[in-house]
Amino acid sequence: GQNIDQPTEMTATEGAIVQINCTYQTSGFNGLFWYQQHAGEAPTFLSYNVLDGLEEKGRFSSFLSRSKGYSYLLLKELQMKDSASYLCAVIESNYQLIWGAGTKLIIKP
Amino acid sequence: IAGITQAPTSQILAAGRRMTLRCTQDMRHNAMYWYRQDLGLGLRLIHYSNTAGTTGKGEVPDGYSVSRANTDDFPLTLASAVPSQTSVYFCASSDSGDSYNEQFFGPGTRLTVL
Repeated sequence: GQNIDQPTEMTATEGAIVQINCTYQTSGFNGLFWYQQHAGEAPTFLSYNVLDGLEEKGRFSSFLSRSKGYSYLLLKELQMKDSASYLCAVIESNYQLIWGAGTKLIIKP
Repeated sequence: IAGITQAPTSQILAAGRRMTLRCTQDMRHNAMYWYRQDLGLGLRLIHYSNTAGTTGKGEVPDGYSVSRANTDDFPLTLASAVPSQTSVYFCASSDSGDSYNEQFFGPGTRLTVL
């Protein structure tokens, strides 16, 4: 079956580092997206990984291991505005996206 | 118009009524999508269109229909609304449906069916 697992909620402190994990089991794999979604708003694109390894983009980095069916999003120097849900999505072989339920990240001062 | 817009922003609807959610994009994207988002669940694809004139069924198409008469518009119709269709509906678009392009989302429509 198809399944994407992410923690439901995480809490971190302003200025710290947090890692949000995503594990997946899908019928095919053409890449993985991370999106950010603030409460009451639309998801917005953060990163795309298709090859194993780390992709760094400013304070945010995303890692992929295809053999392990595993990805993580790393957020550094956390700011209050990073409080949001983070959605992991896998591109299946038919190019449709399968979405995780999202991880709600709470940043405390 | 800048990007992708949806209307209405929110709606309360009596069960059994017909409702059309509107979606328009000005990015000349070929592919468009309709998702619903429910608490505790990931976004679920309802219908999609890879190019004007074609549509396809997603994961949860029952009770919904779509049309794609032109590149810009992709309306979603609920023929006879039921309470289980209470959800937040997001329209999205991407440059192509058969590649790895990111999807751009509209602001969403919050629909309540009573």
